[in-house]
Amino acid sequence: DAKTTQPNSMESNEEEPVHLPCNHSTISGTDYIHWYRQLPSQGPEYVIHGLTSNVNNRMASLAIAEDRKSSTLILHRATLRDAAVYYCILRNFGNEKLTFGTGTRLTIIP
Amino acid sequence: GAVVSQHPSWVICKSGTSVKIECRSLDFQATTMFWYRQFPKQSLMLMATSNEGSKATYEQGVEKDKFLINHASLTLSTLTVTSAHPEDSSFYICSSTSGGGQPQHFGDGTRLSIL
Repeated sequence: DAKTTQPNSMESNEEEPVHLPCNHSTISGTDYIHWYRQLPSQGPEYVIHGLTSNVNNRMASLAIAEDRKSSTLILHRATLRDAAVYYCILRNFGNEKLTFGTGTRLTIIP
Repeated sequence: GAVVSQHPSWVICKSGTSVKIECRSLDFQATTMFWYRQFPKQSLMLMATSNEGSKATYEQGVEKDKFLINHASLTLSTLTVTSAHPEDSSFYICSSTSGGGQPQHFGDGTRLSIL
């Protein structure tokens, strides 16, 4: 599986936008970019995914670089409930498995 | 509301006991279910992939006779930790998907503590 690289941790102020980066320089043409997050003592939660175009949903936006070697998860207005570990995962088309890396631990400052 | 229900949420038992964890898909028929294990301050590690009506596929290093997986219906998979020992203490998490590249939906996990 192609690998992703994320910062270990980030901090952001409450009610401000958060940009979580992910590098995936070895991504293949059939790899989808998935984001999940895990709140403390809970199972992960699906956030968003995309292939080439930027994506928006009620939780977040996903900005994908033109060469697809990096992407950014955008939380438009962080709340304390967004404090979690965010995982950027490449998932090949036809493969249902997810391989979790170490993710980015996001801390929200009140 | 929850799409995947996992039970129990926590269990404490003596060494040598076998423990069964249930994972139910509530809103859709899950062709595939996954079982993960997570040690403190570490990421999730996939243990096995479970397909309804067939034998589970275990990841390298996971003992299939130790971690018994049954996926008898499209809405229920179970993981049984047989003869559990303290080193099996961990956070066990299941997920399900309807396939076709759809997102995985995760249970809230089971915290297993073996004394």
